[in-house]
This record gives sequence, C-alpha cells and structure tokens, in this order.
Amino acid sequence: DAGITQSPRYKITETGRQVTLMCHQTWSHSYMFWYRQDLGHGLRLIYYSAAADITDKGEVPDGYVVSRSKTENFPLTLESATRSQTSVYFCASSEQRVSNQPQHFGDGTRLSIL
Amino acid sequence: GENVEQHPSTLSVQEGDSAVIKCTYSDSASNYFPWYKQELGKRPQLIIDIRSNVGEKKDQRIAVTLNKTAKHFSLHITETQPEDSAVYFCAAHTGRRALTFGSGTRLQVQP
Repeated sequence: DAGITQSPRYKITETGRQVTLMCHQTWSHSYMFWYRQDLGHGLRLIYYSAAADITDKGEVPDGYVVSRSKTENFPLTLESATRSQTSVYFCASSEQRVSNQPQHFGDGTRLSIL
Repeated sequence: GENVEQHPSTLSVQEGDSAVIKCTYSDSASNYFPWYKQELGKRPQLIIDIRSNVGEKKDQRIAVTLNKTAKHFSLHITETQPEDSAVYFCAAHTGRRALTFGSGTRLQVQP
C-alpha cells in the first residue's frame, strides 16, 4: 500500500525539542488518523481529521498538535518532546463518507526521545 | 467512550490447529469490526472485517463471527501455518469517531 507514506521512519531527539512527523496519502481519503503504539496498550488514537481544516482529539492528545491544510497531508507535531512520548507512531486514512470503511496504515515512525 | 477487551494476550498453537481470538466491546452503537494482523516491525494490515448487519464472514482460512446481543466478536483461523504468527488486533467503530483497538494477541504457530 504505497498510498500512505510516513516520514521519517526513525527519529531520535532530545527532551524539550520540537519534532514533526509527516503523513501523506494519495487516495484522497477524507479521514486521517494518528495512533501511537506502545507495549501493552495496543494502538491508541491521538488525533483524527474528517477533512481539511477539521481535526478532533482522540484518546491521548496531550502534548501533540495536528493540522490539515490539505486533504493529502496530516502532520503531527510534538511541541516539546518528553520521554513518555517515545513510541511508534502510525498514520492511517480511510474513506468514510458512505459508511464505515477500513483504515489503511502507513509504515510507522519509530521515535526515541532521550 | 468505546472500550474493547481482547483475549488471550498470547496464544501458541501447533501448525495445522485452529486458533480463536475473542473481543468484547462496550458501546452498543458500534457497527463495524475489523481485524488487523501486524508482523514484527511492520504496519497493521486489515485481514477481515464485519459489519453489524452480518453474523459471520469467511475468507479462506479466516472467519469472523459477531454476536451483537452479547457484544462480542471472534476471529477464527483454521489450519494455521507458521506465517500466521503475528500480533492480531481487533477493533470497533461507532461511526462517530475513529477505531478503538483491543490490546492485541500474539499468536505463535509452532511448526
């Protein structure tokens, strides 16, 4: 599924730094999502977006900021990184205008905060 | 909000045996239930899904059953093979927000 790409694949940064994870999809899906995956917690929703300029909080939004100026891009920013934000981050997209549709995931970004 | 519980957390079976993973959900408004397979270091990939107007769905060796009254759904894998070894996640969707995932089941198929 080359239709959704995340960058970078790996990132190491220090506490207090700002870091942005990129997500780009070529399907023109209306919905996009950010999840974090940690051992023992499965996939937890951070933020999601129903369309350009429409975003909403998920289960664990604190410390994160998102924007969606274009349908195909949904960047996730950690404004001041903390060690607890060390995780694997997955972006996903789906087309839900008609009914519930599957979500398709990117390859993930492994983020380490020292 | 929705809460999804998944059992067991680990499952080991012999090659050729069947494997069953069970999930329960809390929100009776949930109407879409996908299952994802995640191999080590890879993305979650959709393997099968079911909607609330259907009780069972099959795709070759994989099947999913849904009991709306009891609010639980299960993944059944028959004739397991070593390449079925992975982490499997169930999820539930109410149509109002994104998916709520279970905590995952690590399936190991012993050759």
